[in-house]
Amino acid sequence: DVKVTQSSRYLVKRTGEKVFLECVQDMDHENMFWYRQDPGLGLRLIYFSYDVKMKEKGDIPEGYSVSREKKERFSLILESASTNQTSMYLCASSSWPYYEQYFGPGTRLTVT
Amino acid sequence: AQSVSQHNHHVILSEAASLELGCNYSYGGTVNLFWYVQYPGQHLQLLLKYFSGDPLVKGIKGFEAEFIKSKFSFNLRKPSVQWSDTAEYFCAVIPPTGKLIFGQGTTLQVKP
Repeated sequence: DVKVTQSSRYLVKRTGEKVFLECVQDMDHENMFWYRQDPGLGLRLIYFSYDVKMKEKGDIPEGYSVSREKKERFSLILESASTNQTSMYLCASSSWPYYEQYFGPGTRLTVT
Repeated sequence: AQSVSQHNHHVILSEAASLELGCNYSYGGTVNLFWYVQYPGQHLQLLLKYFSGDPLVKGIKGFEAEFIKSKFSFNLRKPSVQWSDTAEYFCAVIPPTGKLIFGQGTTLQVKP
């Protein structure tokens, strides 16, 4: 079974803090993704990566950056957290961009 | 704007009732289609997928979906729902651009 793990299930941070969300997959997938999930809005793509050190902006990249130094790990960085970044963050991976994605359990981030 | 639309935001059914959740998309060309499900407290998982071939796709737990190209639709069906089907359901499309696009989600509540 594909396993995608995320470093934290719940996280509480203060406005202005730098936040790191980590994601690791164990299936040697080339592609990794970060989404945020908000009620009534579904999942929206923040960034994705199709190879080590490669990244592309998704639909809502503002306020976020990413890092992929190793194939199995994809990090999402909030440079200066704001309250409107309070959300559920989901990481996913896939073997090919057009194939199904496998999701991690999510990190519920609250910024106060 | 190009999008994925789920018409039902919140559906309440009694056990044994039939289910149909609508999904329409607005992308032309070849698309890959998915339904994902998120049970309470669990991570998002794939319910079924359509890439090509028979437009009637069968998935896990008795779910099926029908791809109707002329209607740009990929509706999810189940003949008889169970209480354990209570979850949030997401339709998703990979258009020719290659990025997975999610609908807003439908919350299904099944009353025992």
